[in-house]
Amino acid sequence: EVQLVQSGAQVRKPGESLNISCQSSGYRFTSAWIGWVRQMPGKGLEWVAIIYPGDSDTKYNPSLQGQVTISVDNSINTAYLQWTSLKASDTAIYYCVIHRVPSGYFDSWGPGTRVTVS
Amino acid sequence: DIQMTQSPSSLSASVGDRVTITCRASQNIDTYLNWYQQKAGKAPKFLIHAASTLQRGVPSRFSGSGSGTDFTLTISSLEPEDFATYYCQQTTRLPLTFGGGTKVE
Repeated sequence: EVQLVQSGAQVRKPGESLNISCQSSGYRFTSAWIGWVRQMPGKGLEWVAIIYPGDSDTKYNPSLQGQVTISVDNSINTAYLQWTSLKASDTAIYYCVIHRVPSGYFDSWGPGTRVTVS
Repeated sequence: DIQMTQSPSSLSASVGDRVTITCRASQNIDTYLNWYQQKAGKAPKFLIHAASTLQRGVPSRFSGSGSGTDFTLTISSLEPEDFATYYCQQTTRLPLTFGGGTKVE
C-alpha cells in the first residue's frame, strides 16, 4: 500500500525560505512521478509541480514556475518543495501526490502540509 | 491552459437522491478526465479516471461519462458519506488543471 508522510505545518514570514517534505513507501520510488497540489484557503485544487525520481525530469505549472523548486532524495524516498522567498499568497495546504502516466491521474494523496505566510 | 468549468458550484440533495455534476473543458480532452472527492478537512480521494473507469474500491453508485469537452459524474443514490466537494481534472496537456469544484450538501 502506498503511503505518503508529509512534514508538519509551517508558519513563516514573507521573504523567508521553506522546505516541506513527503516521504513515500509501498512502491518503487524511482518508477513513478511524484508531485504537489496546493489548495489556498477556501479555494479549489491547483497543480504545482511533478518530478520523475528516475531521472529528475521536472514539470512546473507556469503560473508558479520560478517561485518554487521540486526535488527528490532517492536514498530516502522523499520529495521536497522549496521556496527561497515566501509570499503571503503562498499560504495554502500543499498535498503530495503520486502521478500515474499515461492517464495522468493522482491516485495517492498525502494528508497535506499547511503553510502559513504572515 | 485548458479551463475546466464545473456546474453547479453547489447543490442541495438528500440521501437516496440521484446527483449529476457536469464538467466542461475549454477544448477537446478526449477522455483524459478524472474525478476526485474531497471531504471537509481531508485530502482529496481519487474516484474515476479516463472519464468512466472507477478506481478500485469506489462504490458502483458512482459513474462517469463523456468525451471531448463534456463530462458528467453521477451518484445514482446518494449515501450520507457522499456529502463532499467533487473536482474534475484534465490530464491531456500541461498544466494539469482542475475544475472549481461542486459542493454536495
